[in-house]
Amino acid sequence: GESVGLHLPTLSVQEGDNSIINCAYSNSASDYFIWYKQESGKGPQFIIDIRSNMDKRQGQRVTVLLNKTVKHLSLQIAATQPGDSAVYFCAENPPLSSASKIIFGSGTRLSIRP
Amino acid sequence: SQTIHQWPATLVQPVGSPLSLECTVEGTSNPNLYWYRQAAGRGLQLLFYSVGIGQISSEVPQNLSASRPQDRQFILSSKKLLLSDSGFYLCAWRPGGGSPPGELFFGEGSRLTVL
Repeated sequence: GESVGLHLPTLSVQEGDNSIINCAYSNSASDYFIWYKQESGKGPQFIIDIRSNMDKRQGQRVTVLLNKTVKHLSLQIAATQPGDSAVYFCAENPPLSSASKIIFGSGTRLSIRP
Repeated sequence: SQTIHQWPATLVQPVGSPLSLECTVEGTSNPNLYWYRQAAGRGLQLLFYSVGIGQISSEVPQNLSASRPQDRQFILSSKKLLLSDSGFYLCAWRPGGGSPPGELFFGEGSRLTVL
């Protein structure tokens, strides 16, 4: 669910290593999930999405995993680069009765060590 | 192609003054429109969303209001700003009209500082 009052947790990763960012979502009936990347002072940008009928989806250097049993999403970034430094948010689309809402989860700040 | 414009980019306002942030979308019809707020170092809080002209859903009680006078225009307003209204305000859109769920497209944001 929303954690807008919390300071963002930070994940520090060595350049070239893989990054795994985790997110817990609130509504077991949500049918669509998105990962966003937000660089400082900018609006969030779409990375990858996944629908609830899938467990895994791969993009370019990114993979999203969905575990509906425990309401958990993860974003894996392969061979992390300095340009990956940003805040990452997961978002969920609640069930059909509120189809227009997109609710963001708590973000994670990813920092890259040279 | 579709674009979203949001202004002003930066705003410094005294406590008690009014507010008007404007957002317009081009290149699409009947979009779903959203206002989010982000406090410094925090997550995104959904404030309002709209599925059509004059249709506004509010997510949290506050002294802000939203209006949608035209199909592709979404305005965030306040009659009297509070210090706690400071933050980064983001407008977003995605296809509406019963389209299947899809990504949100965000504007570049409006940074509001209330003094």
